[in-house]
This record gives sequence, C-alpha cells and structure tokens, in this order.
Amino acid sequence: NAGVMQNPRHLVRRRGQEARLRCSPMKGHSHVYWYRQLPEEGLKFMVYLQKENIIDESGMPKERFSAEFPKEGPSILRIQQVVRGDSAAYFCASSPPSGNQETQYFGPGTRLLVL
Amino acid sequence: KQEVTQIPAALSVPEGENLVLNCSFTDSAIYNLQWFRQDPGKGLTSLLLIQSSQREQTSGRLNASLDKSSGRSTLYIAASQPGDSATYLCAVIGNTPLVFGKGTRLSVIA
Repeated sequence: NAGVMQNPRHLVRRRGQEARLRCSPMKGHSHVYWYRQLPEEGLKFMVYLQKENIIDESGMPKERFSAEFPKEGPSILRIQQVVRGDSAAYFCASSPPSGNQETQYFGPGTRLLVL
Repeated sequence: KQEVTQIPAALSVPEGENLVLNCSFTDSAIYNLQWFRQDPGKGLTSLLLIQSSQREQTSGRLNASLDKSSGRSTLYIAASQPGDSATYLCAVIGNTPLVFGKGTRLSVIA
C-alpha cells in the first residue's frame, strides 16, 4: 500500500507565476489535509478536504490560494501569482474515512522556492 | 485558540542516554495527541498517537504520556541512538485540525 504521494518534490517559480502542487492520498483514504511549513516555523494547517468538498479552509490565505479534491485524481493546491513569501514546504496528509480524529499520514512534501 | 509549545527547542545528548521531550497545549478539549518525527528535508513520520481517553502509548523505545487536565504530554526515548537524531513534533487535534508545536531538534552524539 503506497503512502501519500506528493509531486513535484521540488518546485521553482518566479514571482507572478502559478504553482500547482499535487497530492495523492493513501489508498482508501478520503480525507486530505494541506499544511505549510515556513522556514524555522512549525507546520500550519491550511485546508481540509473530502472528495469534492472543502470541509475547513480556515488556514488558507484569503487571496491567491485555492485547493480542490476532485472525484477522480489527486488533490491540488494552487497558488496564483506567487510571491517570495510563499517559499515553504507544503505537506499533504490523508486519513481514513472514519474521520479527522484518526492518525494522519503525511507525504514527503513539496518544497517551493520563489525567485 | 489552541497553542502548542515544545520545550526544549534543541537538545544534544550522548548516545545511550534516556531523554524526555515536553509538549504543552492551552486547550484541553482535544481528541488526540500525536508525536511525529521529521528528518531534514523529509516528510513527517507518525510515532505515537494517544487518544484523549488514554494516558500513554508505547512503541519500542518510545513512550508517550498524556495529561489532558494539565495540558501536557511527554515523549520518553530510552537508550538514545544516533539514528534518533531528528526533529520531534507534537500535534493536537480537537475542534480545530492538527495544531503543531515548533518541534524539538534532537542530536544524539555517538
């Protein structure tokens, strides 16, 4: 059973470009979470999704950031018009359908560098 | 608003020592508490999960305790090894999704 997969592992963008980060949850998991880890900071929750639904986006910046988890395919975190402050490691986690009280399994992360 | 604090921020010990990492949280209304390990440039590995009704969990040389009423958890590592060197993160889940501490960076010197 493959773990949570994220791609790309590293992404370099120039200011103003778009960044798309992908996350494939573990098989059988229907809950996906995105977290951001800024340099020298702890992980911060961004958004919690189930298939075709955003459950909690209280941690998402109000502008330029969006997330989706379609019926088919991976979850996508999209950052439009990136700025240098978006440089961070973005982690995805998934958990079983039984709910968000279960253990979350983390992917290896995507490290975004904005030049 | 839930806040999680980990002390110390960094710790260096000689191989073979037993050590304790501390985690405190401000809101005791939690469902569970998780300890993770993060290696440099890597993702997170879940070490132990303690449900709110539990007092402790053990896995190999690791033992985690939870005192909900005082808002504290400890991670005990027995007979530390150089391979234990990593950052250890504590996270709680309650009415909000996982809230993480900033971690304790552990170095075990051979």
